[in-house]
Amino acid sequence: GIQVEQSPPDLILQEGANSTLRCNFSDSVNNLQWFHQNPWGQLINLFYIPSGTKQNGRLSATTVATERYSLLYISSSQTTDSGVYFCAVSKRADSWGKLQFGAGTQVVVTP
Amino acid sequence: EPEVTQTPSHQVTQMGQEVILRCVPISNHLYFYWYRQILGQKVEFLVSFYNNEISEKSEIFDDQFSVERPDGSNFTLKIRSTKLEDSAMYFCASSDVAGYTFGSGTRLTVV
Repeated sequence: GIQVEQSPPDLILQEGANSTLRCNFSDSVNNLQWFHQNPWGQLINLFYIPSGTKQNGRLSATTVATERYSLLYISSSQTTDSGVYFCAVSKRADSWGKLQFGAGTQVVVTP
Repeated sequence: EPEVTQTPSHQVTQMGQEVILRCVPISNHLYFYWYRQILGQKVEFLVSFYNNEISEKSEIFDDQFSVERPDGSNFTLKIRSTKLEDSAMYFCASSDVAGYTFGSGTRLTVV
């Protein structure tokens, strides 16, 4: 199966700082999503981004499919950004198949 | 915004008992899934369901597990003869061409 590696595994930020999270994958994919798991365990969909760049408020993501990586940018971080960020990929080109998750990046934003 | 609804949010059961986890996927989605996350670990695929049958399952999804769509809205995961190692967060999800939406999860504790 596809290997998904995320880095760094842990990140401590001061409120207001910017950061970049990385996701590398071992094979070509047709679908990629970024999720935020909040402290209550909920998985929140951030971006569906198999290629290109998207922005949503202080978050943005870029996927370079040909080079098999994706980046998630957090700008002006807030304490509510704390949690685990997961990248998940799928090879299927239709309405999805199983997602392969990375191990996540644990982000702690301190006041 | 459409949601995937899971009940119960928490369930405690005795080892050897059967549990049924319930989900209401987004109404116009065609693909449904169950994933699980053991505490502190990555999210793992269990099974996908399309057109009233299993389309793919992982090696975790053995004879102890079964899924059912008993009516037009509900999607259930049954775990028979629960074991201590079945303790985990279980996520239901549904998808369309715009990607996945996850439910808030059911935290299952087997004692």
